[in-house]
Amino acid sequence: DIVMTQSPDSLAVSLGEGATINCRSSQSVLYSSNNKNYLAWYQQKPGQPPKLLIYWASTREFGVPDRFSGSGSGTDFTLTISSLQAEDMAVYYCQQYYTTPRAFGQGTKVEIK
Amino acid sequence: QVQLVQSGAEVKRPGASVKVSCKASGYTFTNYDINWVRQATGQGLEWMGWMNPNTGGAGSAQKFQGRVTMTRNTSISTAYLEVSSLRSEDTAVYYCARGVPFNSWGQGTLVTVSS
Repeated sequence: DIVMTQSPDSLAVSLGEGATINCRSSQSVLYSSNNKNYLAWYQQKPGQPPKLLIYWASTREFGVPDRFSGSGSGTDFTLTISSLQAEDMAVYYCQQYYTTPRAFGQGTKVEIK
Repeated sequence: QVQLVQSGAEVKRPGASVKVSCKASGYTFTNYDINWVRQATGQGLEWMGWMNPNTGGAGSAQKFQGRVTMTRNTSISTAYLEVSSLRSEDTAVYYCARGVPFNSWGQGTLVTVSS
């Protein structure tokens, strides 16, 4: 099974500052035949279901602000929030969908400093 | 718009079973997988399994095999998750989610297992 590990577990960022969350998979999630990374990022606010932010490691879902960006390939990925807004306070999860089980990382809690 | 509406909260005794429903609307139900994810209070997301609503084919994470059944009724665009032999550790919010990756989620169903 592929294991997903995020870092850090939490971070506190001032409004307007940038935030970076890392995600590492225990095996590559890059499918060579189409050169796509089967990696997604989700945002979950308290009391709500998760929301898909990014898929294929770097493609923003429709309606997601462009301050959210994803990068990386193979086993190492990053979610960047370029200028943190108050509404970005949430827990962020990475997930591989390369194979089953479609494992999530343990989550990274982003708080406002 | 795409919507997944789940059934209401449940309270069950240890050893009992629970069946959670997920009614889809706003899209062709048989065109997208349905996945099930659970989340214990204050914990992370745990993928449980998936089902192809078109074929009925399904698969679950190894830890749930033999205890989880995923079914559907295409005539009413509804997917079901049944968990048997419930124990206290199964207390969680259970979500259905559409597609891969999971681009639409139900609102969640709280299942409480308590004697």
